[in-house]
Amino acid sequence: GIQVEQSPPDLILQEGANSTLRCNFSDSVNNLQWFHQNPWGQLINLFYIPSGTKQNGRLSATTVATERYSLLYISSSQTTDSGVYFCACSNDYKLSFGAGTTVTVRA
Amino acid sequence: EPEVTQTPSHQVTQMGQEVILRCVPISNHLYFYWYRQILGQKVEFLVSFYNNEISEKSEIFDDQFSVERPDGSNFTLKIRSTKLEDSAMYFCASMGTGRTGELFFGEGSRLTVL
Repeated sequence: GIQVEQSPPDLILQEGANSTLRCNFSDSVNNLQWFHQNPWGQLINLFYIPSGTKQNGRLSATTVATERYSLLYISSSQTTDSGVYFCACSNDYKLSFGAGTTVTVRA
Repeated sequence: EPEVTQTPSHQVTQMGQEVILRCVPISNHLYFYWYRQILGQKVEFLVSFYNNEISEKSEIFDDQFSVERPDGSNFTLKIRSTKLEDSAMYFCASMGTGRTGELFFGEGSRLTVL
């Protein structure tokens, strides 16, 4: 399966700050998704982005498939953005997850 | 917006007991999955299911696990004799007809084995 590496593993932000999370993957993909895991453990789907750029409010994501990486941008962070952000990729109909980036936003 | 629903949200069971976790995938989806996340670890693939049979399973998915689509809507994961190490969050997911499409995840079922 695809190897997915996320960086940084941990990120501490002051409220209002911007940040970039990175996802590197080992092979070509036909599916890439970003998730936010909230404190209750639920996986919230942020983006389905096997290529290109998408924006949703203060969040945006870019995937450069030819260079095998994806970036998740958080702008004007809020305390509710805290949690673990997972990148997951697939080229064989099942997703492989990275280890996640734990984001802590301080008021 | 259609969503994947899972029940129960949390189940506590004694070691050795059988557990059934239930999922209702999005109605027109054809591909179904179970994933597991042990506390503090990454989300791991367990099994995929298509056309009423397992299409792929991981090494985690041993003989104590089984999946079933007993009717047109439910998709279940059964653990026959639970062990302490089965304590985890279990996620169900479904995907539509395009096999390279997006996976939609349920909110998870937290299993605690005592």
